[in-house]
Amino acid sequence: GDSVTQMEGPVTLSEEAFLTINCTYTATGYPSLFWYVQYPGEGLQLLLKATKADDKGSNKGFEATYRKETTSFHLEKGSVQVSDSAVYFCALSDRNSGYSTLTFGKGTMLLVSP
Amino acid sequence: ETGVTQTPRHLVMGMTNKKSLKCEQHLGHNAMYWYKQSAKKPLELMFVYSLEERVENNSVPSRFSPECPNSSHLFLHLHTLQPEDSALYLCASSQGILGTESTDTQYFGPGTRLTVL
Repeated sequence: GDSVTQMEGPVTLSEEAFLTINCTYTATGYPSLFWYVQYPGEGLQLLLKATKADDKGSNKGFEATYRKETTSFHLEKGSVQVSDSAVYFCALSDRNSGYSTLTFGKGTMLLVSP
Repeated sequence: ETGVTQTPRHLVMGMTNKKSLKCEQHLGHNAMYWYKQSAKKPLELMFVYSLEERVENNSVPSRFSPECPNSSHLFLHLHTLQPEDSALYLCASSQGILGTESTDTQYFGPGTRLTVL
């Protein structure tokens, strides 16, 4: 079956540091790939997505590129802020008729200190 | 604000109580989902509704009973729960077009934090 593997956390960084959170996946077919973010006490918010190989998703300074050859979708940001502290989830979407099925990684907690 | 609301945000209940969680989406979507998020575990998909018809039920115990009266509302009825059912319950919705293979983005509500005593 499909699966998503994320690096274990927590990731601890100082403000303005460079961020990479690794994500690899196993899937049949051609899934869409997503990064969701969850701030404390809240639900999941879509951060970015990519729907086909070589697509780059970007939002709020975060980027991730759909790499089919390495089955990866690593999240990067050039300069993190304290407000980026949250849990980040990588996910892939299977195709069904009329709905999607998301498979999530376990999540990576990011802690950014001033 | 994602366009998906959930009530209540927090719920404490005893094992013999009956309660319901409510989800409402204001996005005009056709598919709705219930997820369970427990500490130290990946998100678990519980139920999927497409155009008000249940299309997936992932081995969820019968003490959880979903209801989708229309495409904007989704309920999760709870009865005789166990302490291990304490978790964050998340609702999501997606566009979904019947007859079209879809990898549509899912939009999540803020969740209901459930504690079973």
